[in-house]
Amino acid sequence: GAVVSQHPSWVICKSGTSVKIECRSLDFQATTMFWYRQFPKQSLMLMATSNEGSKATYEQGVEKDKFLINHASLTLSTLTVTSAHPEDSSFYICSAPWGGSQHFGDGTRLSIL
Amino acid sequence: KNEVEQSPQNLTAQEGEFITINCSYSVGISALHWLQQHPGGGIVSLFMLSSGKKKHGRLIATINIQEKHSSLHITASHPRDSAVYICAVLPLGAGGTSYGKLTFGQGTILTVHP
Repeated sequence: GAVVSQHPSWVICKSGTSVKIECRSLDFQATTMFWYRQFPKQSLMLMATSNEGSKATYEQGVEKDKFLINHASLTLSTLTVTSAHPEDSSFYICSAPWGGSQHFGDGTRLSIL
Repeated sequence: KNEVEQSPQNLTAQEGEFITINCSYSVGISALHWLQQHPGGGIVSLFMLSSGKKKHGRLIATINIQEKHSSLHITASHPRDSAVYICAVLPLGAGGTSYGKLTFGQGTILTVHP
């Protein structure tokens, strides 16, 4: 079945650090991937749509200079949280559509000290 | 009011019980997903529905498009079913693909005790 791999699964770093999260489709090509953020006890919120070969589409209220998205190949999208601060601490998860369904990565838990 | 509302928010059951989780939405949709999120955070898509009913093992999902309502049923529940169950809809007109840009419910935390 379709598999989406997300790495790393857990990151702890100091305030001001930039953190890169990778989302790979392992056995299918994904021209579109989605990035979500989930705060504790809250629902997932779509941050942006990653488009292969073109600029990402960001949801209202999401700073594109803060959350850099690159989708340079059909199997890889990256989300970079630039100059991360404690309020960026959250659970980040990606998904990619394939075969009539949506396939999710296992998520990345980001903790900024 | 959220576009997608789930009930109950928390559900505790004994092993073997029949479980129902409800999802109501207020927008026109082209599809509805039921997702399962495990304690570690990983999410699995259980069903995608646009009409009628689907069954997979002990799981059954139904949708009534006219009433804007869906239910997820678990028969003979087991402790390993303990997870957060999330209803997500794909609103009509949301992007050019048939699946993407989901709107999520707040989730139902299910705990099944042995």
